[in-house]
Amino acid sequence: AQSVSQHNHHVILSEAASLELGCNYSYGGTVNLFWYVQYPGQHLQLLLKYFSGDPLVKGIKGFEAEFIKSKFSFNLRKPSVQWSDTAEYFCAVNAPNTDKLIFGTGTRLQVFP
Amino acid sequence: DAGVIQSPRHEVTEMGQEVTLRCKPISGHNSLFWYRQTMMRGLELLIYFNNNVPIDDSGMPEDRFSAKMPNASFSTLKIQPSEPRDSAVYFCASSLGQKETQYFGPGTRLLVL
Repeated sequence: AQSVSQHNHHVILSEAASLELGCNYSYGGTVNLFWYVQYPGQHLQLLLKYFSGDPLVKGIKGFEAEFIKSKFSFNLRKPSVQWSDTAEYFCAVNAPNTDKLIFGTGTRLQVFP
Repeated sequence: DAGVIQSPRHEVTEMGQEVTLRCKPISGHNSLFWYRQTMMRGLELLIYFNNNVPIDDSGMPEDRFSAKMPNASFSTLKIQPSEPRDSAVYFCASSLGQKETQYFGPGTRLLVL
């Protein structure tokens, strides 16, 4: 079945550690890709997005993501996490044969000082 | 811009009662989405509208759920009668177009006793 997969369900890091969260999708054709963040008790906010162009996308708060078409991946990275990055991170894909935004199951990130 | 506005922010009701959730999208946005978030099922798309017209309601769980968008600046999600398993956070999101970035409201946390 076509889907969006986030393999890391729960990640625990110390401050200053590097972060990489995986996202894979199974849709062919042209896709729009998003990473959203949900801080505890808050709504989803857009971190970054890829529609076309440079596959390395810079987002807010030092986050970046790389679109690798051959691997159907859009992994999220940050070189040095902070305690304030503790949140749930959702990858989402606009599939070509639908107008829906398909979300992954989310990755819960806990950063300890 | 005020962003997407949802009301109420919290709702506690008893099983069998009617619940109405409200959403005001960002001005100028012509697509509106209703999502439900639970621990068990994650983020689920219930229904979305484009130019006030429902496009896909396949995510609406049962006939107890209905949604309307009488004009470009207002939408409702109604549950009648409500059941304890409807307890969740309900998010509304809007976008400029169906494949554009979605901006989420703060959500309505619903508890059905």
